[in-house]
Amino acid sequence: NFLLTQPHSASESPGKTVTISCTRTSGSIASNYVQWYQQRPGNSPSIVIFEDDQRPSGVPDRFSGSIDSSSNSASLTISGLRTEDEADYFCQSYDNSTTVVFGGGTKLTVL
Amino acid sequence: EALLVESGGGFVQPGGSLRLSCKASGFTFSNYAMTWVRQVPGKGLQWLSAVTGSASVTYYADSVKGRFTISRDNSKNTLFLQMTSLRVEDTAMYFCARGSGSYTYLNSLDPWGQGTLVTVSA
Repeated sequence: NFLLTQPHSASESPGKTVTISCTRTSGSIASNYVQWYQQRPGNSPSIVIFEDDQRPSGVPDRFSGSIDSSSNSASLTISGLRTEDEADYFCQSYDNSTTVVFGGGTKLTVL
Repeated sequence: EALLVESGGGFVQPGGSLRLSCKASGFTFSNYAMTWVRQVPGKGLQWLSAVTGSASVTYYADSVKGRFTISRDNSKNTLFLQMTSLRVEDTAMYFCARGSGSYTYLNSLDPWGQGTLVTVSA
């Protein structure tokens, strides 16, 4: 099995852009779709990106996802940061077509 | 609007058992695979188990295989997680989440319930 490695924390000012990475430790990042979930304090997770770069309806276009095969990583980019974006962000992929794998999560501070 | 509401959490001693429920509404329950995910407070997410829409196939993480059993009652729009031989390290918030299709839970979990807290302690 592989792991998905995320930075523990990130911070940026309102109005700026932040990118959170998610690196797959073995196997190709492009082999299986990557999803991103937002978890605000005290709330349950909610999806913000699915299938690498797809945005569910209702998620602002300030949120975008991508993958980079050269670094074997996925990225979540949030532009025009707002204080409401302050949350934990988890990447997710899967292994062997049956096992879901989550990254350790990144705590985003908007200050 | 799709909605999931978990229940059944609580305090249990090590070695004990607990049955969690997840009541679904706002969508055709039998058309979707369902999953259980847990989270130690302040920590990351851990996928536990999934079941297809028809309940024909189940999947488990190695860490809970043989101790936890996932099931569903499509007539009651309810998902279950039977947990046995509970350990202190099973203490966590337990969430149910919907997959994106009858057999698909790998590429989108949405929505999630609010969670139910399980505490395993002597």
